[in-house]
Amino acid sequence: GESVGLHLPTLSVQEGDNSIINCAYSNSASDYFIWYKQESGKGPQFIIDIRSNMDKRQGQRVTVLLNKTVKHLSLQIAATQPGDSAVYFCAERREGGNKLVFGAGTILRVKS
Amino acid sequence: DTAVSQTPKYLVTQMGNDKSIKCEQNLGHDTMYWYKQDSKKFLKIMFSYNNKELIINETVPNRFSPKSPDKAHLNLHINSLELGDSAVYFCASSQMGGRTSSGANVLTFGAGSRLTVL
Repeated sequence: GESVGLHLPTLSVQEGDNSIINCAYSNSASDYFIWYKQESGKGPQFIIDIRSNMDKRQGQRVTVLLNKTVKHLSLQIAATQPGDSAVYFCAERREGGNKLVFGAGTILRVKS
Repeated sequence: DTAVSQTPKYLVTQMGNDKSIKCEQNLGHDTMYWYKQDSKKFLKIMFSYNNKELIINETVPNRFSPKSPDKAHLNLHINSLELGDSAVYFCASSQMGGRTSSGANVLTFGAGSRLTVL
């Protein structure tokens, strides 16, 4: 069956360093991808999105990279802050579909 | 004002009981969803309604029945609760767009309802 993302790994980074969170997807027909951040006790929050006709998109302190050749998505967070500590999910939308399929998530821990 | 609000936030109940979780959104979105998040944080879609019409119905036991009285509300009723139903249930909403519009599937989530079945 189709699957998005990895088992729940943990990334620990020092405050001020850059973070890179990775996600693998299996459905080559997916045309749209989103990164979400979920803080403890809260619902997932939108961070950034990217369409499949792009390979890079930048936001404030965040950059998403898309490599369709190897079906890989990454989220880069510059100058990571304690408030960035959360679980990060990638999600994909199959072309023309109405459903977002979420990956398993990555825990980001920021050490002060 | 909370964009997507769901109640209750916590629900503890016995096996075999029937319970409901309510969700309301004030974003003017036309599509609402229920997701289930298990103990390993995996988020899986259960249902989606667009303008009160069911458009996504994943492989969910028929003990789960969503109801959308209008496009701003989507409730989840669960009959004969089982231990495995324990999870956090998230409601979300979005504005459904065309195939070429980006952002069409940007979901806004509620804070979640933690269901514990004893």
